[in-house]
Amino acid sequence: AQTVTQSQPEMSVQEAETVTLSCTYDTSESNYYLFWYKQPPSRQMILVIRQEAYKQQNATENRFSVNFQKAAKSFSLKISDSQLGDTAMYFCAFIPFSGGSNYKLTFGKGTLLTVNP
Amino acid sequence: GAGVSQSPSNKVTEKGKDVELRCDPISGHTALYWYRQSLGQGLEFLIYFQGNSAPDKSGLPSDRFSAERTGGSVSTLTIQRTQQEDSAVYLCASSLRLNTEAFFGQGTRLTVV
Repeated sequence: AQTVTQSQPEMSVQEAETVTLSCTYDTSESNYYLFWYKQPPSRQMILVIRQEAYKQQNATENRFSVNFQKAAKSFSLKISDSQLGDTAMYFCAFIPFSGGSNYKLTFGKGTLLTVNP
Repeated sequence: GAGVSQSPSNKVTEKGKDVELRCDPISGHTALYWYRQSLGQGLEFLIYFQGNSAPDKSGLPSDRFSAERTGGSVSTLTIQRTQQEDSAVYLCASSLRLNTEAFFGQGTRLTVV
């Protein structure tokens, strides 16, 4: 079974600064996808960024980038130039590429990020 | 519609009553998930559907919970004899296939009083 661990329940950052959210996972699969989702107070889950495990290059989406370390099973999210609108709960998630009977999208418990003015 | 639609947005029910929560996935998406999110907590997997395959019901917490997906599209999550611990936000998501990113609805906040 897959597990996803987010060790930081809460974090805060000043507006315009950079913050990194941690995520580790455990799996015996060799190929999989990793995601970061954002859930603002509106409770709408929004996909922030995705990473395919077979790609060595780290994914980037504007101010959001990841540091994917496959051997270490680590998948951190870096938010640059933090904005007030980045305040949200952030969830790391995993899904196997071809997982047989275990296709469910597995989430970590989340990190509550607060961006302070 | 353009996104995943869930109804109702909020539901208050009395303990012991049955409730039905509805999810309309994105058109063409073959996979559909239900998750439960208790206050301030992460997402607890309940069930997923993929095309015409048998659903994975491994996350349903008790036999009071059931779900169906009709015609490969709309899904209904039914909770019978609701209990106070069933109070949570129920999130539905769909994806093009099982191993791709999921898009979420806004959820149904269920309150059992």
